[in-house]
Amino acid sequence: NAGVTQTPKFQVLKTGQSMTLQCAQDMNHEYMSWYRQDPGMGLRLIHYSVGAGITDQGEVPNGYNVSRSTTEDFPLRLLSAAPSQTSVYFCASSYKSGGANTGELFFGEGSRLTVL
Amino acid sequence: QKEVEQDPGPLSVPEGAIVSLNCTYSNSAFQYFMWYRQYSRKGPELLMYTYSSGNKEDGRFTAQVDKSSKYISLFIRDSQPSDSATYLCAMSLYYGNNRLAFGKGNQVVVIP
Repeated sequence: NAGVTQTPKFQVLKTGQSMTLQCAQDMNHEYMSWYRQDPGMGLRLIHYSVGAGITDQGEVPNGYNVSRSTTEDFPLRLLSAAPSQTSVYFCASSYKSGGANTGELFFGEGSRLTVL
Repeated sequence: QKEVEQDPGPLSVPEGAIVSLNCTYSNSAFQYFMWYRQYSRKGPELLMYTYSSGNKEDGRFTAQVDKSSKYISLFIRDSQPSDSATYLCAMSLYYGNNRLAFGKGNQVVVIP
């Protein structure tokens, strides 16, 4: 059972380049989300999805796109990378119990992105 | 004012000591309170999950919530070097709300 898998683990981009951070979970969780973690800022929600075909914005969505075509995958796209997007990105998923969300988040190991 | 305030530390303690961590929050509507543990270069993992005011104990870990003071605490008894990690508090408005408000995290180092 792999849990939440993020790729790549490390990436260096130049300003203006685009890329996609991949996230996959094998726990059949309906809820998936992306956070960024910056020193002194804590975890901030970028985008989230409550199920396939449904996405919504979080606290800091600008400069990022997401889509959810399957339950398992939730990629995060950086459209035109900026140095302010240098961060550690975490994908997280959550499950339902008895038909209700549990609020317990399962995190991947993170993707470290540097934008020069 | 950020919704959740947490002193980032770092906090260094000798092995066997009691570790005390806390968070304050401004939104009195928060009902569910969590502590996540994050080892270096890893993702956070859920450690404790409590509802409203009171105490919850799990092994060496105790979580306390004081809603009247908008203050939550995590205590680690008989601390071990393996407890060295960053501890993040998180809270939500209702059960099952996946949009958590996180503190900045508090780094703990347990010295053998």
